[in-house]
Amino acid sequence: DGGITQSPKYLFRKEGQNVTLSCEQNLNHDAMYWYRQDPGQGLRLIYYSQIVNDFQKGDIAEGYSVSREKKESFPLTVTSAQKNPTAFYLCASSREGTGTNEQFFGPGTRLTVL
Amino acid sequence: AQSVTQPDIHITVSEGASLELRCNYSYGATPYLFWYVQSPGQGLQLLLKYFSGDTLVQGIKGFEAEFKRSQSSFNLRKPSVHWSDAAEYFCAVGARAAGNKLTFGGGTRVLVKP
Repeated sequence: DGGITQSPKYLFRKEGQNVTLSCEQNLNHDAMYWYRQDPGQGLRLIYYSQIVNDFQKGDIAEGYSVSREKKESFPLTVTSAQKNPTAFYLCASSREGTGTNEQFFGPGTRLTVL
Repeated sequence: AQSVTQPDIHITVSEGASLELRCNYSYGATPYLFWYVQSPGQGLQLLLKYFSGDTLVQGIKGFEAEFKRSQSSFNLRKPSVHWSDAAEYFCAVGARAAGNKLTFGGGTRVLVKP
């Protein structure tokens, strides 16, 4: 079955540590996205990528980094510079990066900073 | 810049009763509009989408939504709610002129009373 996988489902990090969240899709989608979800604030875009080896900052990119070396993979690194990283992180993909197409979402990773 | 407002943070409805969730958007041209549903701790699932044409769109799980340009609204409705409809619902807007980004509303949490 085609879809998006995110791992791990739960992640705990000590303050000052970097951590990488995995996102893989086998839908052959060109565009991929990372969102952060906090209670009452909906989803906020962190980074997005319309094509391999290219990505753009979203609305809240500070303290995060990404790479897009393969079409199917778009890992997100939460760095120690992110002041409040505890949140639910969602990865999504779409067939083409035009904003017109449905974004398919993964199950999410809940990150907790101890 | 585009924006989305979901005025109701929480809605409680009795099982079998009708449900309407409000969504207002701000965008100068014709937007692409989406409704997603999220069960606790899960990713988002698309309920329905509007790009053009008939302003009343049908979605999955018995949901429908109506695009009203004059009111900048895209309200979601269901005639008879089931207990399994308890979830959080997000309205989102995308636009070709805005690239591939979706802007999400803050969400409405629906509670279903037996």
